[in-house]
Amino acid sequence: DGGITQSPKYLFRKEGQNVTLSCEQNLNHDAMYWYRQDPGQGLRLIYYSQIVNDFQKGDIAEGYSVSREKKESFPLTVTSAQKNPTAFYLCATTGPNNEQFFGPGTRLTVL
Amino acid sequence: QKEVEQNSGPLSVPEGAIASLNCTYSDRGSQSFFWYRQYSGKSPELIMFIYSNGDKEDGRFTAQLNKASQYVSLLIRDSQPSDSATYLCAVNRWQGGKLIFGQGTELSVKP
Repeated sequence: DGGITQSPKYLFRKEGQNVTLSCEQNLNHDAMYWYRQDPGQGLRLIYYSQIVNDFQKGDIAEGYSVSREKKESFPLTVTSAQKNPTAFYLCATTGPNNEQFFGPGTRLTVL
Repeated sequence: QKEVEQNSGPLSVPEGAIASLNCTYSDRGSQSFFWYRQYSGKSPELIMFIYSNGDKEDGRFTAQLNKASQYVSLLIRDSQPSDSATYLCAVNRWQGGKLIFGQGTELSVKP
């Protein structure tokens, strides 16, 4: 069963905490992306990786960090430096026609 | 000027009508164009993509691209209440490059 999985589905963070969102794919796609979506807004790119052990900042990288140690995995850490992290976080990979496929998302709420 | 612009809506159409969703983009060198559907609380799902000027049909959906005028549209024929969702337009400048998303248009199909 191929696809993209994200966990957890819901995540609650206290002030000052770092939290890590998981993204795993078994599609054998090279490129992976992290987006943030706020209510009524489009998608904003946080980080992306086109190959293992390499990643680039997107438009809103401040307060976030990533790693890409394996092709299948691209975890996102939301650090305490991110002052307004409450949002819907989406992970995506790129298919052969440059289309992006999305995971089910993680909804992060700051308590 | 935003790179990709969509009417925020909401766009309301009666069941069985044609829904027309529009998207304009600023970069004349854009190569690939994508339409996604996003139900409330869910992640975006790809409807279709288009590369060449003209129309591309897939079932009840037709994408129209006019590079000279820098717009891409999505027509939904015989609209159903299940089509009620937010529709996201995305543009890609070059193969392997990032997608730039519009803010989305909310569509409501009334029975």
